[in-house]
Amino acid sequence: NAGVMQNPRHLVRRRGQEARLRCSPMKGHSHVYWYRQLPEEGLKFMVYLQKENIIDESGMPKERFSAEFPKEGPSILRIQQVVRGDSAAYFCASSRGANTYEQYFGPGTRLTVT
Amino acid sequence: GESVGLHLPTLSVQEGDNSIINCAYSNSASDYFIWYKQESGKGPQFIIDIRSNMDKRQGQRVTVLLNKTVKHLSLQIAATQPGDSAVYFCAENQSGNQFYFGTGTSLTVIP
Repeated sequence: NAGVMQNPRHLVRRRGQEARLRCSPMKGHSHVYWYRQLPEEGLKFMVYLQKENIIDESGMPKERFSAEFPKEGPSILRIQQVVRGDSAAYFCASSRGANTYEQYFGPGTRLTVT
Repeated sequence: GESVGLHLPTLSVQEGDNSIINCAYSNSASDYFIWYKQESGKGPQFIIDIRSNMDKRQGQRVTVLLNKTVKHLSLQIAATQPGDSAVYFCAENQSGNQFYFGTGTSLTVIP
């Protein structure tokens, strides 16, 4: 009964590099959500995906950020040309389906941009 | 002890006392709410949820109260223990699967 898995747990990137964050949902879950959390703040919704579909990306910055959830493999949040302001904890959550609201969170990836 | 929501983000209580954490939500159309607990360095952990057709829901040592008239949610923790020390977030769902999280309240339990 593995929970939501995220890797890496910590990621350090220099300005201008790319960051790739991975999320494997709980077994039986087909819906994935990405959130960003700045220090001492709440979680901010970024994107909601189902397998091979982006359902809601209203919280994603217009540039440099993208997300995917392929048919096989984990969901990936990709940040191109990272800047210092991208430093944050990125959490992934999963749920069983569209009408099952309870979301289970992974341990997060802490991104530090130097 | 009792916090007054987002304007008082920290709460300290003595071990064994009851804790009350408050949350004011923004949208009267929100129909589902979740309380999460987040320990340092970890992801949020589901505690308890409540739908808008209910006023109260109880779990193990926790009770959530919902007042739709004033758009207010509270989490009561009975007999608070040191392991309850964490940041507590309320999250509201308006439609679909998107949740909006509050800033959180940091609970410190004094042994």
